[in-house]
Amino acid sequence: RKEVEQDPGPFNVPEGATVAFNCTYSNSASQSFFWYRQDCRKEPKLLMSVYSSGNEDGRFTAQLNRASQYISLLIRDSKLSDSATYLCEGGGSYIPTFGRGTSLIVHP
Amino acid sequence: DVKVTQSSRYLVKRTGEKVFLECVQDMDHENMFWYRQDPGLGLRLIYFSYDVKMKEKGDIPEGYSVSREKKERFSLILESASTNQTSMYLCASRPGTGLYYEQYFGPGTRLTVT
Repeated sequence: RKEVEQDPGPFNVPEGATVAFNCTYSNSASQSFFWYRQDCRKEPKLLMSVYSSGNEDGRFTAQLNRASQYISLLIRDSKLSDSATYLCEGGGSYIPTFGRGTSLIVHP
Repeated sequence: DVKVTQSSRYLVKRTGEKVFLECVQDMDHENMFWYRQDPGLGLRLIYFSYDVKMKEKGDIPEGYSVSREKKERFSLILESASTNQTSMYLCASRPGTGLYYEQYFGPGTRLTVT
């Protein structure tokens, strides 16, 4: 049972680039989604919540496409400090389901 | 700020030992979770608890048990540690039974079984 899928990457981009990741989900009843950021050897920390159509916070935009059952995370003007793994969590029930994460490497 | 703490950051145990991993949260959250994280496999749910003394199996409960005697504390027990249980163990909590709440993670325990 794997209800949430992510491209593991790595996505290797230069500073200043715009990069987008997708996360697909199989449970059409899913109501809420979350993007977490996880630095190497650290715990995941919430980056953004996505409850309806989308959410924006500075350089980060998360969008939900219910018709195609995916959420996306867009990072504009990438910084070296954005290098991390980005985990997607989908909520179709009270049991949380995570994707395996997408690795982002931002280089000078 | 929500704080989730785990009893050890690093732990080395021998095969066959009984291992206790402790997790404490300070925000009165109803839900607590134990995950293990391995390279290429992502976060896998071992057990979770939605209330005191309540527990449910996650995706990979074999070889593990849990205990939740108090709301703030959720313990993971490896009954007889094996080398394939070498992993990073992450505890998390969230309020309510909600579909709409994010999880708060502890710093993790890196367990090595030799």
